[in-house]
Amino acid sequence: AQTVTQSQPEMSVQEAETVTLSCTYDTSESDYYLFWYKQPPSRQMILVIRQEAYKQQNATENRFSVNFQKAAKSFSLKISDSQLGDAAMYFCAYRSNTGKLIFGQGTTLQVKP
Amino acid sequence: GAGVSQSPSNKVTEKGKDVELRCDPISGHTALYWYRQSLGQGLEFLIYFQGNSAPDKSGLPSDRFSAERTGGSVSTLTIQRTQQEDSAVYLCASSLGGQGPTDTQYFGPGTRLTVL
Repeated sequence: AQTVTQSQPEMSVQEAETVTLSCTYDTSESDYYLFWYKQPPSRQMILVIRQEAYKQQNATENRFSVNFQKAAKSFSLKISDSQLGDAAMYFCAYRSNTGKLIFGQGTTLQVKP
Repeated sequence: GAGVSQSPSNKVTEKGKDVELRCDPISGHTALYWYRQSLGQGLEFLIYFQGNSAPDKSGLPSDRFSAERTGGSVSTLTIQRTQQEDSAVYLCASSLGGQGPTDTQYFGPGTRLTVL
């Protein structure tokens, strides 16, 4: 069975600085997809970024980028130029061919002004 | 366009009562998922509907939980004889369906269920 681990329950960053959230996963599948979702206090899960496992190039979406290390089964999220609106809980998720998402435990990000 | 909607936003019920939670997926999305988010268990998959195929019920925690999807659109999650451990946020997501990278799941705002 696949598992996803986020080892940082809480992180904080100064506004305008850069922060990296860690995620590792375990799988025996070769083809899968990885996602980072953001959940603000409103509860709405918002897609931040996604990565196809067959792509070596790291995904980037504006201030958000990932460091995908397939051999190490690592998928970290880097947020550059952090903004107050980035404060939320961030979830790393794995999707296999069965379709369902398997989530990590989440990391609460605090952004300090 | 409209996103995934869920109702009610909050539900308080007494132990032993039945509850129904509703999800309206994004128009045109053939896949629909239910997840549960609780303090003790984190985010867990419950059930998955894909088109007219038999649903994947592998995540349902007990036979008190059931879900249906009518006409390939709206879905209802029913919890019978609710227990206090059922208290959680129930999230619904939908996607276009398929296995490719475009099959990203989009979530609704969730229903917070409190069982007294």
